[in-house]
Amino acid sequence: DAGVTQSPTHLIKTRGQQVTLRCSPKSGHDTVSWYQQALGQGPQFIFQYYEEEERQRGNFPDRFSGHQFPNYSSELNVNALLLGDSALYLCASSLGGGLGEQYFGPGTRLTVT
Amino acid sequence: GENVEQHPSTLSVQEGDSAVIKCTYSDSASNYFPWYKQELGKRPQLIIDIRSNVGEKKDQRIAVTLNKTAKHFSLHITETQPEDSAVYFCAAGGSGTYKYIFGTGTRLKVLA
Repeated sequence: DAGVTQSPTHLIKTRGQQVTLRCSPKSGHDTVSWYQQALGQGPQFIFQYYEEEERQRGNFPDRFSGHQFPNYSSELNVNALLLGDSALYLCASSLGGGLGEQYFGPGTRLTVT
Repeated sequence: GENVEQHPSTLSVQEGDSAVIKCTYSDSASNYFPWYKQELGKRPQLIIDIRSNVGEKKDQRIAVTLNKTAKHFSLHITETQPEDSAVYFCAAGGSGTYKYIFGTGTRLKVLA
């Protein structure tokens, strides 16, 4: 049973650049949520995708956008990178689009220089 | 706005002792409360959760209690072991929303 996978593991970008992070949900799951975890902090909700639609968004600017594909995998795009975007980006998968058990991926460590 | 406060930020206990971590949430619509354990450099892992129609839930050495009136919920770990050392996060989610609000984490150290 495949768990949640994310790619890449680590990424270094320069201010102003754009980045795309990828997530494949746990087998059988159809919902993907994205979180940003700054060092020493709890995960902060970015948005959730279900049925290829963004269902809810946290307090993040429009520079953060996403997509969900028919196979339930998802991408997180961040434009015009700022130093403050440096963080661990986690995706979590769940089933059915509602609140329930979420399983996290290993994360992508993004460093913006 | 929605908020989850978590205390303490760090907790050191002797092996075999109990550990208690407490969270307070602000949104009275919250009805689902998961707890995650995150070891250094690893993903958060769900260890136990509770829904608002239940006051307590136990799974071996781990238990969670919920006081809806006071908007408090707590994680209890008994007979702690060195492998329990990690950062623990509480979270809260409510009906009509698809997001979890996480606490700021508690770093638990179990001293052998």
